[in-house]
Amino acid sequence: DVVMTQSPLSLPVTLGQPASISCRSSQSLLYSDGNTYLNWFHQRPGRSPRRLIYKVSNRDSGVPDRFSGSGSGTDFTLKISRVEAEDVGVYYCMQGTHWPPYTFGQGTKLEIK
Amino acid sequence: EVQLLESGGGLVQTGGSLRLCCAASGFTFSSYVMSWVRQAPGKGLEWVSAISGDSRTYYTDSVKGRFTISRDNSKNTVYLQMNSLRAEDTAVYYCAKGQSFSDLDYWGQGSLVTVSS
Repeated sequence: DVVMTQSPLSLPVTLGQPASISCRSSQSLLYSDGNTYLNWFHQRPGRSPRRLIYKVSNRDSGVPDRFSGSGSGTDFTLKISRVEAEDVGVYYCMQGTHWPPYTFGQGTKLEIK
Repeated sequence: EVQLLESGGGLVQTGGSLRLCCAASGFTFSSYVMSWVRQAPGKGLEWVSAISGDSRTYYTDSVKGRFTISRDNSKNTVYLQMNSLRAEDTAVYYCAKGQSFSDLDYWGQGSLVTVSS
């Protein structure tokens, strides 16, 4: 199975400041069709996960443009340009290239300082 | 508006069975891959199973032979039959939809399954 490793696991951020989360995979996530199936999800406390980003850098409908995804191969990054209070919670990366199973990172907990 | 509504969770004894249901609305159900993902208390996300519109199925190794995913496209519902339940199956179970097997674009609110002796 592909192992997804996120860092940091805890991320205290001041409101209005940027934040960055790294996600590394144990194998390249580039699929034979030319796509890279790397997604980012956000889970607020007590809520179900919501997808933010698909195929590395595509924002889902309704996701603010302060969120951006980048990367290739085995190294990926989620960036928040200016953190807002509603951004607290846990962020997960997930690979859908080498399945089954889809595999998730351990999660990164973002909190406001 | 897309809705995924899970039901069927609860408390069950070790070795027992439970069937989860996920009722879908707001999209063309038969065209979507449906998945189950679980989250143990205080832990991260773990993909469990997925089924295509034409009922191809896949499972994570830890549930193979114990869990069965199925769907009824006439009822817009996906099911997860869980047998021989273990304490480590205790989790909130989410259903999620996707346009392909690499995709989880919308999640339900989850259903809690507690396995206890």
